Amino acid sequence: GAVVSQHPSWVICKSGTSVKIECRSLDFQATTMFWYRQFPKQSLMLMATSNEGSKATYEQGVEKDKFLINHASLTLSTLTVTSAHPEDSSFYICSAREAGAVQETQYFGPGTRLLVL
Amino acid sequence: DAKTTQPPSMDCAEGRAANLPCNHSTISGNEYVYWYRQIHSQGPQYIIHGLKNNETNEMASLIITEDRKSSTLILPHATLRDTAVYYCIVRVPPGNQFYFGTGTSLTVIP
Repeated sequence: GAVVSQHPSWVICKSGTSVKIECRSLDFQATTMFWYRQFPKQSLMLMATSNEGSKATYEQGVEKDKFLINHASLTLSTLTVTSAHPEDSSFYICSAREAGAVQETQYFGPGTRLLVL
Repeated sequence: DAKTTQPPSMDCAEGRAANLPCNHSTISGNEYVYWYRQIHSQGPQYIIHGLKNNETNEMASLIITEDRKSSTLILPHATLRDTAVYYCIVRVPPGNQFYFGTGTSLTVIP
């Protein structure tokens, strides 16, 4: 149980285009999902907290107009990188926390590798 | 910001126990300690978590000191597939976010 998927697993796009990444909890409902970014040889950096049915909360320094997050259902959150530039190339990882769970374990997706040319 | 500190790297011989330490001296009374690992180019994998009692599951054991200011993750019989970066995390209220530190890069040596 507790499986989180991401789609696509990798994407290459041209500079200036927008890219949407999906995060799904496959066997549980998630009221809260999280988006992280990881650059090579660095740790995961939390970008935002996504709550179902409400606006996402962004970490300091993360542009909310550039990284659009939608969490329209209990099993799906999307991250859209708008007007992507080469510096946005990174490994994007989502995680999900089960609704109603007493303990706050997060389950992570496999990640999406984005390369902006 | 991460509330934990870990050694940057460790080696362990295959078949031996791997003991990975973590300091979390500012942990609050109701905060859990979580351990995850990340194998190259994959998402983090949940290993174990605990509050104040020692915990064991099919993957590992977690030993938490009585004052809760540090903990040790134990992989009882390390295999080559256990080579990964191991992260010790204390969630941050009120949103209970996870802030990852630099982790420990464990290399299991044949």
